[in-house]
Amino acid sequence: EAGVAQSPRYKIIEKRQSVAFWCNPISGHATLYWYQQILGQGPKLLIQFQNNGVVDDSQLPKDRFSAERLKGVDSTLKIQPAKLEDSAVYLCASSLAWTGFEAFFGQGTRLTVV
Amino acid sequence: DAKTTQPTSMDCAEGRAANLPCNHSTISGNEYVYWYRQIHSQGPQYIIHGLKNNETNEMASLIITEDRKSSTLILPHATLRDTAVYYCIVTPYTGANSKLTFGKGITLSVRP
Repeated sequence: EAGVAQSPRYKIIEKRQSVAFWCNPISGHATLYWYQQILGQGPKLLIQFQNNGVVDDSQLPKDRFSAERLKGVDSTLKIQPAKLEDSAVYLCASSLAWTGFEAFFGQGTRLTVV
Repeated sequence: DAKTTQPTSMDCAEGRAANLPCNHSTISGNEYVYWYRQIHSQGPQYIIHGLKNNETNEMASLIITEDRKSSTLILPHATLRDTAVYYCIVTPYTGANSKLTFGKGITLSVRP
C-alpha cells in the first residue's frame, strides 16, 4: 500500500518569498492533516480537512498560510510571505475516517527560510 | 494546557522490555489514550490506542490503570530501531474537541 506522499522533501527560500507544499494522501482516506514541526518540538496541527471541508484551522496563521484540498484528495499548503520563524518540517497525514486517529504520516518537507 | 505528562528521556538495553510511562490525571471518560513514535527524520508513526482495557498489537502493549489517570506503553523486546521520540496523546474519539495534539514526548534510547 502506498503511503502519504509529500513534495518537495527540502526547500530553501528567502524571507518574504512564497512557497507551496503538496500532499497526496493514502487512497480512500477522508481526513487529511497538516502539521508544522519546529526543531526540538512535537508536531503542531495547522489544519484538518474532512474530505474537502475544513474541520479545524484554529492554529493556522491565516494572514500568511493557506491550504486547500482539491476534490477531497490532494492538498496544498502555501506560505506567503515566509518569515524566518516558518523554518520547520511540514508534515502531512491522512486517516480513514472522522472517528479515530490512526493517522499515517508522510516524511515531511523541510523548509529553511533565510 | 498539556493533557499528558511524560518524562523527558529514558534508556533501556537492547532485548529488554522498555516501559514508557504517561500521566494523564485529568482524562475525561470519553477520551482515548494514543501512542505515536517518531524516528529521527521521519514522520510520526501510530503505535496503539486504548480507552480503559489493556491493548496489545504486534508493536506494543498498552496498560491503562484502573482509574485511567496513567498508562504505560510496553515494547517487549526493544531493538536499536526502537530508538525514537514517543508521544502519549489523550483525545476524544470524535467530536469538536477531538484532535491529535502532540507534546514534547519522551526520547527513548536503546543501547546495545
